[in-house]
Amino acid sequence: AQKVTQAQTEISVVEKEDVTLDCVYETRDTTYYLFWYKQPPSGELVFLIRRNSFDEQNEISGRYSWNFQKSTSSFNFTITASQVVDSAVYFCALSEGGFKTIFGAGTRLFVKA
Amino acid sequence: GAVVSQHPSRVICKSGTSVKIECRSLDFQATTMFWYRQFPKQSLMLMATSNEGSKATYEQGVEKDKFLINHASLTLSTLTVTSAHPEDSSFYICSARWGEEYEQYFGPGTRLTVT
Repeated sequence: AQKVTQAQTEISVVEKEDVTLDCVYETRDTTYYLFWYKQPPSGELVFLIRRNSFDEQNEISGRYSWNFQKSTSSFNFTITASQVVDSAVYFCALSEGGFKTIFGAGTRLFVKA
Repeated sequence: GAVVSQHPSRVICKSGTSVKIECRSLDFQATTMFWYRQFPKQSLMLMATSNEGSKATYEQGVEKDKFLINHASLTLSTLTVTSAHPEDSSFYICSARWGEEYEQYFGPGTRLTVT
């Protein structure tokens, strides 16, 4: 069975600090996709990244970076030099077999000015 | 990118009435649509998966007679909450994908309040 664990319920940082959001997943499939989504107070999910199980290269997009480690079943997300606008709930998600996507519990990030 | 819309964005209804939420894929044909429910400060929980022209597959614990899902066309799926009760108040989000693509495109969500 698939499972996504985001152990950090809430994180609070001061602007310009770096912050890492953890994500650990479980799956029996060899082919799967991992995602990160941002959910601001408006509620609409914002897609951030998709990574397939065969691509372990880390990715950087501006202030965002992702570290995918199959050996530890982790897909962590780092925001560098955080800003107040980064305040939101962040969800890690797993899709296996091309079917349903399972979401982690989410991490609520507060960035204070 | 692919766009999914939901209507209405917010709805308030009285207990005992039914309410219909529409999910449309605007620029692609959605062979599969998903319905999620999100209670305040909680994660998205998958309610059901529907394929065009087929009956929806409901997740364990979701009452199919209460949450009616119709996926009559490749661009439209509807979720009808029948005989709504205050505990059905939630944020309902749909998503859509086409073919064998893993990525789902999410709608903006519908906030349902049952009084």
